[in-house]
Amino acid sequence: IAGITQAPTSQILAAGRRMTLRCTQDMRHNAMYWYRQDLGLGLRLIHYSNTAGTTGKGEVPDGYSVSRANTDDFPLTLASAVPSQTSVYFCASSDMPNTEAFFGQGTRLTVV
Amino acid sequence: GQQVMQIPQYQHVQEGEDFTTYCNSSTTLSNIQWYKQRPGGHPVFLIQLVKSGEVKKQKRLTFQFGEAKKNSSLHITATQTTDVGTYFCAGMLNNFNKFYFGSGTKLNVKP
Repeated sequence: IAGITQAPTSQILAAGRRMTLRCTQDMRHNAMYWYRQDLGLGLRLIHYSNTAGTTGKGEVPDGYSVSRANTDDFPLTLASAVPSQTSVYFCASSDMPNTEAFFGQGTRLTVV
Repeated sequence: GQQVMQIPQYQHVQEGEDFTTYCNSSTTLSNIQWYKQRPGGHPVFLIQLVKSGEVKKQKRLTFQFGEAKKNSSLHITATQTTDVGTYFCAGMLNNFNKFYFGSGTKLNVKP
């Protein structure tokens, strides 16, 4: 039973490079989310998708893009990474937008 | 600004002492969730509260949702070292179909 899987686990990235963080869930959940976690700031929502084919902006969407071509996958792309995007990124999914969320193991991204 | 505020940021207790974390919003919440994140881990869902004044218990954990649905608390009775971690609340604002997380309370329990 995988649940929700993120890749890579960690990455060091040169500033200006493009990077896609992968997220896959096998629970057939409708909603998926990307959060970033920074010390003292908790979890901040970057983008979300309430159902396949739709996406929405969260609290901190600038510099990030997402797509939801199917139910299972929800990749997060940094078009041109900057050091302020150094963070731990969590992908999550839930059956409906107002039900419990299941989180992946996280991706630790360092932009240098 | 942050939609959901959480205090305290840190709490250090002796094993056996009680612990409480508080979550506040300036606007009415339709529901609130609580999560626990162990050091180095990912957030894990604990509970969801929906009704005004609701109180739910899970063993030593008591969760409350305020009458005005603008605040919530998590109380742990007689903490154990296994309670160590960061506790997050996540509130769903009325008319917004997504959750806003508080900044979390990091609990350290000394044996």
